Amino acid sequence: TQLLEQSPQFLSIQEGENLTVYCNSSSVFSSLQWYRQEPGEGPVLLVTVVTGGEVKKLKRLTFQFGDARKDSSLHITAAQPGDTGLYLCAGGSRYSGGGADGLTFGKGTHLIIQP
Amino acid sequence: DAGVIQSPRHEVTEMGQEVTLRCKPISGHDYLFWYRQTMMRGLELLIYFNNNVPIDDSGMPEDRFSAKMPNASFSTLKIQPSEPRDSAVYFCASSLWLYTEAFFGQGTRLTVV
Repeated sequence: TQLLEQSPQFLSIQEGENLTVYCNSSSVFSSLQWYRQEPGEGPVLLVTVVTGGEVKKLKRLTFQFGDARKDSSLHITAAQPGDTGLYLCAGGSRYSGGGADGLTFGKGTHLIIQP
Repeated sequence: DAGVIQSPRHEVTEMGQEVTLRCKPISGHDYLFWYRQTMMRGLELLIYFNNNVPIDDSGMPEDRFSAKMPNASFSTLKIQPSEPRDSAVYFCASSLWLYTEAFFGQGTRLTVV
């Protein structure tokens, strides 16, 4: 059972379109991170959200942490081919007794932006 | 800092052989993580160290896998004997604290034939 479920698993859209990807869990997390991974590289942190309801913007990317700190979303406005990659969410410590088990990663959303 | 450095970048080996993956974390980072990434299972945490001490190895799939961190600047992940199902990309990452930003290396793509 995956602690963090990401959807959709794959998404291919045209340049200029908007999109939203989701990261959901039944567990409450102290924080949630979003990473982007390009082929042949390791994941790179985009943002960390720590407060329920928090919204952070990074240029055309908008990140939201759910009020209950169980879910998060990433919205991209006017997607560009450079946004192509694997988007991973990762949860911090879980309040439901997960122990000190490090970051928990979802399987990711494979995003392709076609020119 | 050069970031997290992993070697080799690619490894192709025959089933039954021993494989050793290497990692140099970012200086000053107290935490080091070993992850395995596959299409089927995503990014899985295998083991992590705090100040060179293994804290949680519950993700290590079998006794064939072992990891060491003899000092703050070096860690190894060893698979002996290797099997085809071990084929994956193995990442090393380091961070200042347990749940802060993890800095990943470029990974080692392991193929066991």
